[in-house]
Amino acid sequence: QLQLRESGPGLARPSETLSLTCTVSGYSIRNSSSYWGWIRQPPGKGLEWIAALYYSGSISYNPSLKSRVLISEDTSKNQFSLKMTSVTAADTAVYYCARYLKFYDAFDFWGHGTMVTVSS
Amino acid sequence: EIVLTQSPATLSLSPGERATLFCRASQSVNTYLAWYQQRPGQAPRLLIHDASRRATGIPARFSGSGSGTDFTLTISSLEPEDFAIYYCQQRSNWLTFGGGTRVEIK
Repeated sequence: QLQLRESGPGLARPSETLSLTCTVSGYSIRNSSSYWGWIRQPPGKGLEWIAALYYSGSISYNPSLKSRVLISEDTSKNQFSLKMTSVTAADTAVYYCARYLKFYDAFDFWGHGTMVTVSS
Repeated sequence: EIVLTQSPATLSLSPGERATLFCRASQSVNTYLAWYQQRPGQAPRLLIHDASRRATGIPARFSGSGSGTDFTLTISSLEPEDFAIYYCQQRSNWLTFGGGTRVEIK
C-alpha cells in the first residue's frame, strides 16, 4: 500500500532555509514508472507546483521558484526532499509531496500535507 | 507560463443536479490536462487525466472533455461527497494549476 508522509518543521523564520522530507513506503522511488514532486497550497488558496524529480536524476523546477529551491532524493531511505532558501511569509503554505505517475501524466497519489508557517 | 482560468469560481447546486465546470488555457495544451477534487482538510485526488480519461476508481458520473484551450468537467448527478473544490492542471509546459471551482450546496 503506497503511502507518502511529509515531515519538517512547522515553523520557519524569515530568510532561513526550509527543509522538508517525503518518506515513501510501499513503492520504490526508483520505479521507472514514476516521478516525485512537491506542491504547495497557501491557506485558502490554490495549488502551486514546486518541483519534480525522476530517479535517473532528471529534475524540473517551477521557473518562478527555481532560484530558491532544490529537490533531491535518498534512494537508500526511499525518501526525497525539498530545500527552499530565503523564505518569507509568502511561503506559508501546506506542502504536499506526491507521486507523478507516467501512465497518467498526473499526480495520482498525495501525502496528507504538512503546514509550514514562516514567521518571526 | 500557461495560465489556466477556471469558471465559475463558485457553483451552487443541489444534490442530484448536474455540475459543469470549465477550464480555459492561455494557449493550447493539446489534451494534456488533468482534473482533481479536493475536499476540506484533504489532499487533492486525481479524477481525470488526459482531458477525458477517468483515473482508477473514479465513479462514472465524473467525465471530462475538451482539447486545445477549452475543457469541461461534468458531474452528471451530484452526490453529497462531491461538494468540494475542483482544480484543473496542465502538463504541456511545465506544470500549472487553475485557481479552482468550489461546488457548494445550494
